[in-house]
Amino acid sequence: GESVGLHLPTLSVQEGDNSIINCAYSNSASDYFIWYKQESGKGPQFIIDIRSNMDKRQGQRVTVLLNKTVKHLSLQIAATQPGDSAVYFCAGASDSWGKLQFGAGTQVVVTP
Amino acid sequence: DTAVSQTPKYLVTQMGNDKSIKCEQNLGHDTMYWYKQDSKKFLKIMFSYNNKELIINETVPNRFSPKSPDKAHLNLHINSLELGDSAVYFCASSLGGVRSDTQYFGPGTRLTVL
Repeated sequence: GESVGLHLPTLSVQEGDNSIINCAYSNSASDYFIWYKQESGKGPQFIIDIRSNMDKRQGQRVTVLLNKTVKHLSLQIAATQPGDSAVYFCAGASDSWGKLQFGAGTQVVVTP
Repeated sequence: DTAVSQTPKYLVTQMGNDKSIKCEQNLGHDTMYWYKQDSKKFLKIMFSYNNKELIINETVPNRFSPKSPDKAHLNLHINSLELGDSAVYFCASSLGGVRSDTQYFGPGTRLTVL
């Protein structure tokens, strides 16, 4: 079945540095991926998505990379700020409707 | 203005009780979802409705029954609550499916079963 997981449960990064959050998936049929940010006490918030016909997609300060060969995706956050402290989830879908399977989440802690 | 709202925010109840969580969205979306987030923050889809019709129904005990009286509301009723039902339940909505439209989550309802 679908399995989407993260390599590191906690990532500590200094303010101003770049962050890289990794995610592996097992279902080769997964062809759509989303990264979400969840701040403490709030619901997940969409950050960026990528379809399997792309290797890279950029947003505001964020970049998602997809490597279908090794079934891996990453989220890069440039110039990490204190407001980036949150839990980050990757999620993947393989069906036409987009039923998402979430990974376990990575806690990003930004230190001054 | 709250886009996706849930009530109550906290719910503490005894095992065996029946409880409901309400969700409303004012975004004009056609699709609504319920997710469960466990103590390890793992998120799992439970149900999804599109235009009041059930389109996703994951392996969830039949003690859980979603009800969509209209497109703007998706309520979750839970019968005979068990300890393992303790979690944070998130409602979400999107215009269409998540492949084409951004999914917006509510603030969550923390359910504690004693």
